[in-house]
Amino acid sequence: KNQVEQSPQSLIILEGKNCTLQCNYTVSPFSNLRWYKQDTGRGPVSLTIMTFSENTKSNGRYTATLDADTKQSSLHITASQLSDSASYICVVSAGLTGGGNKLTFGTGTQLKVEL
Amino acid sequence: EAGVTQSPTHLIKTRGQQATLRCSPISGHTSVYWYQQALGLGLQFLLWYDEGEERNRGNFPPRFSGRQFPNYSSELNVNALELEDSALYLCATPQGRGLSGANVLTFGAGSRLTVL
Repeated sequence: KNQVEQSPQSLIILEGKNCTLQCNYTVSPFSNLRWYKQDTGRGPVSLTIMTFSENTKSNGRYTATLDADTKQSSLHITASQLSDSASYICVVSAGLTGGGNKLTFGTGTQLKVEL
Repeated sequence: EAGVTQSPTHLIKTRGQQATLRCSPISGHTSVYWYQQALGLGLQFLLWYDEGEERNRGNFPPRFSGRQFPNYSSELNVNALELEDSALYLCATPQGRGLSGANVLTFGAGSRLTVL
């Protein structure tokens, strides 16, 4: 069974600090991995996508890494802001043809940034 | 262009009743995915509609059903509501076809269903 596990479940950091969120997956065949940000009361919004051949990708203050051998990904947030407070969801796509029905979602890491 | 819109924002029902949730995809997009996000769980795939047809359904009982209209908007119906149906129901459309676009989803804000 395809699974995506995220850690920590929740995290509280001070504004301006960095943090790293972890994602471990067992999805086969692996296609790609995407990180989403979900604000309270909103739908998830895509932050970045990682394909099999990519190790690191940045999007502003967000940097995602992927180790396809160990089946792990991380999302590093630099210089956190209050607006970063949200749930961060790791999503892995299986198969060669993609599609929203081929996605396995993690339960998310709830990040709270405080003053 | 307008994004994915869902209604109602909140819905409160009692056990045994029926709930109907609605979704309008991004203009010109024909595919609609429905997901259930229960508290503490990851999003679970419910249904996929494309070009008016049901293309795939997830591991949910038959009392979860839906349809897609000619304008590509979609409806999710949940019959004989149970307490565990309480969740955020999200609708999404893919940003494109093919592997690079098919799983890049744009989500609506969701409909929160509470079953008492």
